[in-house]
Amino acid sequence: AQSVTQLDSHVSVSEGTPVLLRCNYSSSYSPSLFWYVQHPNKGLQLLLKYTSAATLVKGINGFEAEFKKSETSFHLTKPSAHMSDAAEYFCVVSDGRQLTFGSGTQLTVLP
Amino acid sequence: NAGVTQTPKFQVLKTGQSMTLQCAQDMNHNSMYWYRQDPGMGLRLIYYSASEGTTDKGEVPNGYNVSRLNKREFSLRLESAAPSQTSVYFCASSVKTVLGGLYSNQPQHFGDGTRLSIL
Repeated sequence: AQSVTQLDSHVSVSEGTPVLLRCNYSSSYSPSLFWYVQHPNKGLQLLLKYTSAATLVKGINGFEAEFKKSETSFHLTKPSAHMSDAAEYFCVVSDGRQLTFGSGTQLTVLP
Repeated sequence: NAGVTQTPKFQVLKTGQSMTLQCAQDMNHNSMYWYRQDPGMGLRLIYYSASEGTTDKGEVPNGYNVSRLNKREFSLRLESAAPSQTSVYFCASSVKTVLGGLYSNQPQHFGDGTRLSIL
């Protein structure tokens, strides 16, 4: 069985400051990991994915995530938040047989 | 590019009514999925279709049926709607992996959702 835990349901940052959204996972297999973003009234959009290549993964809009096997983590970061980053973010794990979504982290960006 | 298109965007039903949610993708993807999204619960898989002509149950299939009409279209039907089915429904599609694993490392592409309220 696999699981994914997003450690914060809400994160609030000021515009121009760093963003850290935390994700821990559990999987019996070598997992693939994804981060998706969901803007209001929209579907999920892929930000980035890890599939056993480089452990530091760069995505769209300046986001990146680091796969740390020893910590079973895949935290999402961005050096400088923009107002347009305000959205809900989902961490997703796949063991090749099933896909499990985290419960989401709502990111608020303050002016 | 349209990607994944869902219709309708909003719908209000009375308990016991039936309806079909439509989904179409123009990316020539083999696999298609239906999810429901409820507050604080992420997305949960209702049904999926690994390829044209096949459908399988996901995590929460009760009360739903699906039809993979052709490679492009995958519909979700509620035969007798219940208030517990009030949710946002998302359709998604992906390339089928050559290794045979349904999900593997292929990302899914999502529609904008159907917001369904059942009174």
